[in-house]
Amino acid sequence: AQSVTQPDIHITVSEGASLELRCNYSYGATPYLFWYVQSPGQGLQLLLKYFSGDTLVQGIKGFEAEFKRSQSSFNLRKPSVHWSDAAEYFCAVESADKLIFGTGTRLQVFP
Amino acid sequence: GAGVSQSPSNKVTEKGKDVELRCDPISGHTALYWYRQSLGQGLEFLIYFQGNSAPDKSGLPSDRFSAERTGGSVSTLTIQRTQQEDSAVYLCASSLAPPASNTEAFFGQGTRLTVV
Repeated sequence: AQSVTQPDIHITVSEGASLELRCNYSYGATPYLFWYVQSPGQGLQLLLKYFSGDTLVQGIKGFEAEFKRSQSSFNLRKPSVHWSDAAEYFCAVESADKLIFGTGTRLQVFP
Repeated sequence: GAGVSQSPSNKVTEKGKDVELRCDPISGHTALYWYRQSLGQGLEFLIYFQGNSAPDKSGLPSDRFSAERTGGSVSTLTIQRTQQEDSAVYLCASSLAPPASNTEAFFGQGTRLTVV
């Protein structure tokens, strides 16, 4: 079965700093990968997804992610974090017609 | 409706009672999913519906959990004889097709279940 690992439970950054959230997947073939964000009191929202083609994927809210097969990774990045980005971020992989999620990374942003 | 709707938004129940959680998916979405999110945990897959059938029930934690979907639309998740470890946020999602079809899954706000 496919799975994803998010090694960082909690990350704190200053507003304006760059951000990288890690995600590693386990799957032999090319996986379908997703990043979702869950803001306080909100439902999950899709940030971006990778299916094929260009390994650098652009998403909403200024986020991007890069698929690296050699490292089995799909890390989420943002050049400059805003206070409103404070939320929980989930990486997910498609497996047998459903999404399998990582345990999430909670992002805290300091002014 | 505009999005996935779940009801109730909050439910407090006594240990041993049965509860029903409802999910109204986006109109026309054939795929429907239930997940459970416990404090400090990720999203745990429970069950997947394609239309009215459930090809994947592998995530249901025990036989106290069941779900059905009628008319290819509304789904109900039932937990019988609730236990304190059932306390969690139960999330529903729907999509036009399974994720491998490059479609987006939309999530509801969830039902927060507290078993006391």
